[in-house]
Amino acid sequence: DIQMTQSPSTLSASVGDRVTLTCRASQSIGAWLAWFQQKPGKAPKLLIYKASSLESGVPSRFSGSGSGTEFTLTISSLQPDDFATYYCQDYNTYAGFTFGPGTKVEIK
Amino acid sequence: EVKLVESGGTLVQRGGSLRLSCEASGFTFSFHWMSWVRQAPGKGLEWVANIRQDGNEKYYVDSVKGRFTISRDNAKHSLYLQMNSLRGDDTAVYFCARLRDSYNYVFDYWGQGTLVTVSS
Repeated sequence: DIQMTQSPSTLSASVGDRVTLTCRASQSIGAWLAWFQQKPGKAPKLLIYKASSLESGVPSRFSGSGSGTEFTLTISSLQPDDFATYYCQDYNTYAGFTFGPGTKVEIK
Repeated sequence: EVKLVESGGTLVQRGGSLRLSCEASGFTFSFHWMSWVRQAPGKGLEWVANIRQDGNEKYYVDSVKGRFTISRDNAKHSLYLQMNSLRGDDTAVYFCARLRDSYNYVFDYWGQGTLVTVSS
């Protein structure tokens, strides 16, 4: 089974900061990686798919990169609405998907 | 507008059973793989099960195999999760989610979730 890790677990940042979140897979998943944003009490929201494709309607300050086992999500200029928890997810096969444990982005 | 609305979550005793439903609208339900994903209180997301468009291919996370059954009724635009032999660690908000398409099967739409609480 594929294991996903994310770092850091918590990130304290200020509005306007550039922040980078990291996700690692225990084995190569190609580019089959998605990033989600989740706010308390809400469903996750798709931000990035296929490692670097921006979902329609998502602000361009979000970007994704990577392939194989190492991936990053970058927010170029953190906005008040971006304080949330971010999850990466492997979708390499229909037979099983794995989420990372999440990175909480909080106000510094 | 794509909508997924879950229902059926409630308080249930350990060892009991429960059936969750997810009613879909705003898209051609029969064209998409569908999934259940859960989130225990204060914890991260966990994929639970996937079902193919025709219902003939299904996958489960190891922790629910033999206890949970995913199914669908395309005529009713509905997805189901039959949960048996419930345990305390099944307590979670259960989300249904749509997979985009057969090439890029990312979760692109989610319901609001329904809470299942398993008590002793």
